[in-house]
Amino acid sequence: AQSVTQPDIHITVSEGASLELRCNYSYGATPYLFWYVQSPGQGLQLLLKYFSGDTLVQGIKGFEAEFKRSQSSFNLRKPSVHWSDAAEYFCASSSSGGSYIPTFGRGTSLIVHP
Amino acid sequence: NAGVTQTPKFRVLKTGQSMTLLCAQDMNHEYMYWYRQDPGMGLRLIHYSVGEGTTAKGEVPDGYNVSRLKKQNFLLGLESAAPSQTSVYFCASSWKGNYGYTFGSGTRLTVV
Repeated sequence: AQSVTQPDIHITVSEGASLELRCNYSYGATPYLFWYVQSPGQGLQLLLKYFSGDTLVQGIKGFEAEFKRSQSSFNLRKPSVHWSDAAEYFCASSSSGGSYIPTFGRGTSLIVHP
Repeated sequence: NAGVTQTPKFRVLKTGQSMTLLCAQDMNHEYMYWYRQDPGMGLRLIHYSVGEGTTAKGEVPDGYNVSRLKKQNFLLGLESAAPSQTSVYFCASSWKGNYGYTFGSGTRLTVV
């Protein structure tokens, strides 16, 4: 069965600092990979997705993620964090065949200090 | 605005009561999903549908039923609510399974 691991439950950064949120997946073939953001009291919003091709993917709100097959990772990055980025971030992966139902990680809570 | 609309946003039920959560999408998406979100557990799939008239069980289907009589609507029913069903419920839809989800804003359900 697929699994998605987000090793960090909480991450604290200062406003203006760079950010990297980690995500590791377990799946033999190339998975479909996603990052979502959830602001307090809201549903999840899709930040970016990777299907194939260029391993560096650009998303909304200035986020990017890099697919590294050798490390089974899909880490989310942002060069300069804003206070409004404080939220819960979820990584998800699905297989390229079958029902395509994604597996979600348990999330990483981002705290931004002024 | 286009998107996924969930009703109600909040609900308190007594143990044993029943209720239906409604999810409506106006994007002509084929796939629809119901998730529950609990602290420290992430998102867990309850049921999903890959088209009008079809439904399938997810990871945690017990105690829930669903129906997709119209393409734009996906209903989640609790026949006899239990305190363990206290959670935040999210509906999502997608054009196809691997194109990323659009989520509703959630329903916070408390069973006392």
